[in-house]
Amino acid sequence: GAVVSQHPSWVICKSGTSVKIECRSLDFQATTMFWYRQFPKQSLMLMATSNEGSKATYEQGVEKDKFLINHASLTLSTLTVTSAHPEDSSFYICSARASGSSSYEQYFGPGTRLTVT
Amino acid sequence: GDSVTQMEGPVTLSEEAFLTINCTYTATGYPSLFWYVQYPGEGLQLLLKATKADDKGSNKGFEATYRKETTSFHLEKGSVQVSDSAVYFCALGGWLSGGSNYKLTFGKGTLLTVNP
Repeated sequence: GAVVSQHPSWVICKSGTSVKIECRSLDFQATTMFWYRQFPKQSLMLMATSNEGSKATYEQGVEKDKFLINHASLTLSTLTVTSAHPEDSSFYICSARASGSSSYEQYFGPGTRLTVT
Repeated sequence: GDSVTQMEGPVTLSEEAFLTINCTYTATGYPSLFWYVQYPGEGLQLLLKATKADDKGSNKGFEATYRKETTSFHLEKGSVQVSDSAVYFCALGGWLSGGSNYKLTFGKGTLLTVNP
């Protein structure tokens, strides 16, 4: 089946530093990738949608200069949290949609736990 | 905007008990509805879906019917197993304005624990 991986699975960084999270589709090509954020006991909130080779489309209220998304290939998207602060601590989840698949078919990664100290 | 409200957990049941997790939604247009399941340490997986009113989605003994009149998509299973222990998310899907991208809107998730 379609598998999406994320790396790292958890990361701790100091306030003011930047951290990069990778999302890979392992056995399929993903024309579209999605980044979500999840707070404890809250729903997944879509942060941005990225199509390979294009700039990401950010949801309202998400700072594009703080959360840099690069979808450079059909199997890799990265989310960089720049100048991280404790309020950025959260669970970040990516998903990917395969080329030619139905619009709703997204395959999710296991998530990355970010803690900013 | 679109929103999903689902039953807050956690829900704890004994094996072979009947399960219902309530889900209601608010949306413009005609969304598709989904249930996702997340097992410990894994990513969300699509459990079942319904794309129009009165459709029933089913998979692995789970069922949910798209009720437009009550804007609901309740998840049910007649006899749960220990292996069903997971977090369940209700979601609705629709196209963003302009039709460029498809967006999923999730509920908060319900933790189900099934005891032997």
